[in-house]
Amino acid sequence: SAVISQKPSRDICQRGTSLTIQCQVDSQVTMMFWYRQQPGQSLTLIATANQGSEATYESGFVIDKFPISRPNLTFSTLTVSNMSPEDSSIYLCSADWNQETQYFGPGTRLLVL
Amino acid sequence: AQSVSQHNHHVILSEAASLELGCNYSYGGTVNLFWYVQYPGQHLQLLLKYFSGDPLVKGIKGFEAEFIKSKFSFNLRKPSVQWSDTAEYFCAVKRGFGGNNRLAFGKGNQVVVIP
Repeated sequence: SAVISQKPSRDICQRGTSLTIQCQVDSQVTMMFWYRQQPGQSLTLIATANQGSEATYESGFVIDKFPISRPNLTFSTLTVSNMSPEDSSIYLCSADWNQETQYFGPGTRLLVL
Repeated sequence: AQSVSQHNHHVILSEAASLELGCNYSYGGTVNLFWYVQYPGQHLQLLLKYFSGDPLVKGIKGFEAEFIKSKFSFNLRKPSVQWSDTAEYFCAVKRGFGGNNRLAFGKGNQVVVIP
């Protein structure tokens, strides 16, 4: 089965700073995704990150706040910029190898003070 | 916008009881349907999925789900739960095939099984 890892697993950050979350998959994949899961809420898609193209952001999410990199077919990063307490959440990456099923990483638990 | 509804966010039941979690989605057309499970301290895992064919699909750990197109539903069931089924369960819907792979998730059901 697919292996997806994320770093860091958790972090506590001060408001106004930025955090970059890394997502690594164990085999090449075209489509990767970033989600946010706020406390007590469901998963919300932030953006789709395909290698070789700009990330596609969902309504309510912008590149300046959540810049994404996708330098190759096994790696992606999501940066949460200029953080505020409202950004406290779990951030998850996922990958879809056959354009059918998304598999998820373990998530990064972020607390912003 | 696509919408996925899961009711009864918190479910508490005893071992050996039957479990049914409802999932309804808000739009027509071709859909792919998923149930994911998140056990305490673990990451989100695929429980089962429906793409086409037999509307009754079987997943891991004795779970099954039935797609009823006329009701826009994809309810999850397990005849006899175990303590290890304590987890959060998410229904997810994807429109169409291929290209647009956006998943819309429901709010989840927190299931607690009492030994």
